[in-house]
Amino acid sequence: AQKVTQAQTEISVVEKEDVTLDCVYETRDTTYYLFWYKQPPSGELVFLIRRNSFDEQNEISGRYSWNFQKSTSSFNFTITASQVVDSAVYFCALSGDTGANSKLTFGKGITLSVRP
Amino acid sequence: DTGVSQDPRHKITKRGQNVTFRCDPISEHNRLYWYRQTLGQGPEFLTYFQNEAQLEKSRLLSDRFSAERPKGSFSTLEIQRTEQGDSAMYLCASSFPRTETSGSYNEQFFGPGTRLTVL
Repeated sequence: AQKVTQAQTEISVVEKEDVTLDCVYETRDTTYYLFWYKQPPSGELVFLIRRNSFDEQNEISGRYSWNFQKSTSSFNFTITASQVVDSAVYFCALSGDTGANSKLTFGKGITLSVRP
Repeated sequence: DTGVSQDPRHKITKRGQNVTFRCDPISEHNRLYWYRQTLGQGPEFLTYFQNEAQLEKSRLLSDRFSAERPKGSFSTLEIQRTEQGDSAMYLCASSFPRTETSGSYNEQFFGPGTRLTVL
């Protein structure tokens, strides 16, 4: 069975602070995909990033960066110089490779509040 | 707008009534997923279709729930004899499966959801 754990439930920071959102996953699949989604107050889930299990290269996109470490089964997300617009619930998710395994297993989410 | 759309956005119903939700996926996507999200939780998988075939159903999908995708395009999710525990956000997502040439797989794009309140 697949499992995603987001141990942090709520994080509050002041604008311009850096913040890291943690994600730990469990799977028996050798090929799998990891995702981060953002859910702003409007409710719609917004896709941020996908990584596959064979690519441990860290990725940076503007103020966002992701650190994937298979050795610790972690896929952490860092926002640099946070902004008020970053306030949202962030979900880490996991899926397998094919067919029925393509469904997403989500963590419980982390509520990030960025104060001006 | 070429994203995933869902209708209605909000539904309030009385316990025991039947409700039906509709999802229109991104047109070239042949996979369609339904998820349910309750307050303070992440979305949980309910069922998925590849074209018109329903290939998996979660144990969360009791016999009061039924989903269809008759022509492999839009999908409907029906809940019969609603209960207060059915109150949740129902999310639809679509994706395009991996091919040798597509180079991308499994980004599921989500619609805005239908928020169901059962009184």
